[in-house]
Amino acid sequence: RKEVEQDPGPFNVPEGATVAFNCTYSNSASQSFFWYRQDCRKEPKLLMSVYSSGNEDGRFTAQLNRASQYISLLIRDSKLSDSATYLCVVNRDNTDKLIFGTGTRLQVFP
Amino acid sequence: DGGITQSPKYLFRKEGQNVTLSCEQNLNHDAMYWYRQDPGQGLRLIYYSQIVNDFQKGDIAEGYSVSREKKESFPLTVTSAQKNPTAFYLCASSPSGVQPQHFGDGTRLSIL
Repeated sequence: RKEVEQDPGPFNVPEGATVAFNCTYSNSASQSFFWYRQDCRKEPKLLMSVYSSGNEDGRFTAQLNRASQYISLLIRDSKLSDSATYLCVVNRDNTDKLIFGTGTRLQVFP
Repeated sequence: DGGITQSPKYLFRKEGQNVTLSCEQNLNHDAMYWYRQDPGQGLRLIYYSQIVNDFQKGDIAEGYSVSREKKESFPLTVTSAQKNPTAFYLCASSPSGVQPQHFGDGTRLSIL
């Protein structure tokens, strides 16, 4: 089983839609969770950290489910500029090594 | 502006040649990392350093070497022993511990 697994997509959604991605992780000792965004041929950029109680940043909401070992990202009111690959990132065991998922591609169309 | 600078943006390597990728940060971060990304794959950790004059191997260190003589600099050498060096190389840094990492804009390495 991969340490971090994501549905590669693509998710094709119209502008204004709500879309959600899940990501599962294998190591129950992981303590830190992040979502990054990566545009084509660019570096990943931190979108948001994921906290135990869930957290929101504008149109973006992240949730953590430790019992089932998954994190989720919800995007409301999708914009064309949200088109990108979203990377799920989890730390390995309780170390400072981060494991990056292969990403879920989102394409928002007019 | 504070940030991470990688150079060059594009690099070509000849057979049997060693090449060095530069990574400099002015964020005063203690930890620095090198990753490799291949098409359709996630980032894989090559080497990381949590403090000056110390570094550890990541998951795919064979064929690579690093140094950390200064806090702000973490150069990566791709040696001739790395038989499949073509990839997108990303340098990152973080304040310390398990905190979000911030990336430079990467170096694309190809074989001539």
